[in-house]
Amino acid sequence: TQLLEQSPQFLSIQEGENLTVYCNSSSVFSSLQWYRQEPGEGPVLLVTVVTGGEVKKLKRLTFQFGDARKDSSLHITAAQPGDTGLYLCAFWGGYIPTFGRGTSLIVHP
Amino acid sequence: GAGVSQTPSNKVTEKGKYVELRCDPISGHTALYWYRQSLGQGPEFLIYFQGTGAADDSGLPNDRFFAVRPEGSVSTLKIQRTERGDSAVYLCASSLFLERGLLNTEAFFGQGTRLTVV
Repeated sequence: TQLLEQSPQFLSIQEGENLTVYCNSSSVFSSLQWYRQEPGEGPVLLVTVVTGGEVKKLKRLTFQFGDARKDSSLHITAAQPGDTGLYLCAFWGGYIPTFGRGTSLIVHP
Repeated sequence: GAGVSQTPSNKVTEKGKYVELRCDPISGHTALYWYRQSLGQGPEFLIYFQGTGAADDSGLPNDRFFAVRPEGSVSTLKIQRTERGDSAVYLCASSLFLERGLLNTEAFFGQGTRLTVV
């Protein structure tokens, strides 16, 4: 059973489009993290959200933590080919980061 | 070193053989993790070291898998009698737990070792 459900599983879009990916759970988290993994590389941390309702922006990426701290979303504005990769949400269960299955994004030029 | 280093980057082995995968974490990071990742999936936890000891090995799939970290730095993941189902990317990560706790903790990953069992 996956504690973190990510959707959609796959997304293929054209450059310039907007998109939103989701990370949902029935559990409450003290924080959630988003990582991006480019092909052939390990995941890299993008952001940590801590407070319910929190919104964080990283250039064209907007991250939101749900009010009840059970879910999070990532919105990308005007996607570029460099955004291609696997987007993973994660929480720290004790001292171990646990990941969702990810959303695989391909942005076509 | 500057980042987490994993060697080899690729390993092809025959079914039934023994393999060792090496991870060199960021200097000073006391926590070290091994994950296994299948294509298009998220990393699946295998084992967590705090210093030299395995604090949690609940993710190891069976007794063919074993990992060590004898001096609290470099770690080796060992797989005996490899099977085709062991084919995956094996990722290593390290972390430093700050005094403020887990809210500001980040896992730093290596590039992974792609293991192919033929």
